[in-house]
Amino acid sequence: GAGVSQSPRYKVAKRGQDVALRCDPISGHVSLFWYQQALGQGPEFLTYFQNEAQLDKSGLPSDRFFAERPEGSVSTLKIQRTQKEDSAVYLCASSFGTTNQPQHFGDGTRLSIL
Amino acid sequence: AQKVTQAQTEISVVEKEDVTLDCVYETRDTTYYLFWYKQPPSGELVFLIRRNSFDEQNEISGRYSWNFQKSTSSFNFTITASQVVDSAVYFCASWGFQKLVFGTGTRLLVSP
Repeated sequence: GAGVSQSPRYKVAKRGQDVALRCDPISGHVSLFWYQQALGQGPEFLTYFQNEAQLDKSGLPSDRFFAERPEGSVSTLKIQRTQKEDSAVYLCASSFGTTNQPQHFGDGTRLSIL
Repeated sequence: AQKVTQAQTEISVVEKEDVTLDCVYETRDTTYYLFWYKQPPSGELVFLIRRNSFDEQNEISGRYSWNFQKSTSSFNFTITASQVVDSAVYFCASWGFQKLVFGTGTRLLVSP
C-alpha cells in the first residue's frame, strides 16, 4: 500500500500477557519510529531505527518493551508481561531519509490491557 | 531538552471563522525543525508543514498559514474561513537530537 500500515488496529489483552504490534512502513523509507500516545496527550517517542539498526531506544519505558526491524523494513514492537499502564495507542511512523524529514504515520494500534 | 507548549486545550468556532492555534517551543539547538500535524478522529497523524530554524518566512497554503517568530519562540498556525472538516486535534512538534517532540495538542471543534 501507499501508506504506513499497522496491525492489529485494536488489541485487547489480559494483564501479564505478551503482545506484538506490527508496522509496515512506506516502501523505501529508511527511518522508522515508534510512539506511544496516551489518551488526550501527544505522541511520545519510544524508539528509532535506521534500516535494521536500532539507533535510539531511550524512550522505551521499561525492559518489558522490545522492538526489532530485522530486515530493515517491517518492524515489530513487543511488550512482555503487559501492565494496565501500557494501555495506549501505539503509533508507527516512517520517513525517507534523515530524521528531520516529515514522518508519515500509520493509523496506530489501540492497546487495552484488562 | 526540547519542549513544545500548546496552551490551548480546546477551541470551538463556528464555520467560516478564522482561528489561530498557538505553539511555543524551547530548544538549545541552533538548527532545529518545527512541524504541525493534524489528527482527525480516525487517529492517523497527517503531516501539514515543516519549517527549519533558518527560514522565518511565513507560509501560506490555501486556507492554512503559519507564522514562525524566533524572537518569541513561536510557530503559530492560522486557519482562515474554518470548515467542519477542519475539526481535529492539531499537534505542534519540534525535532532535535534525532527525536520529534510533540506538544499536548489543541482540539479544534468547528460547528456548522
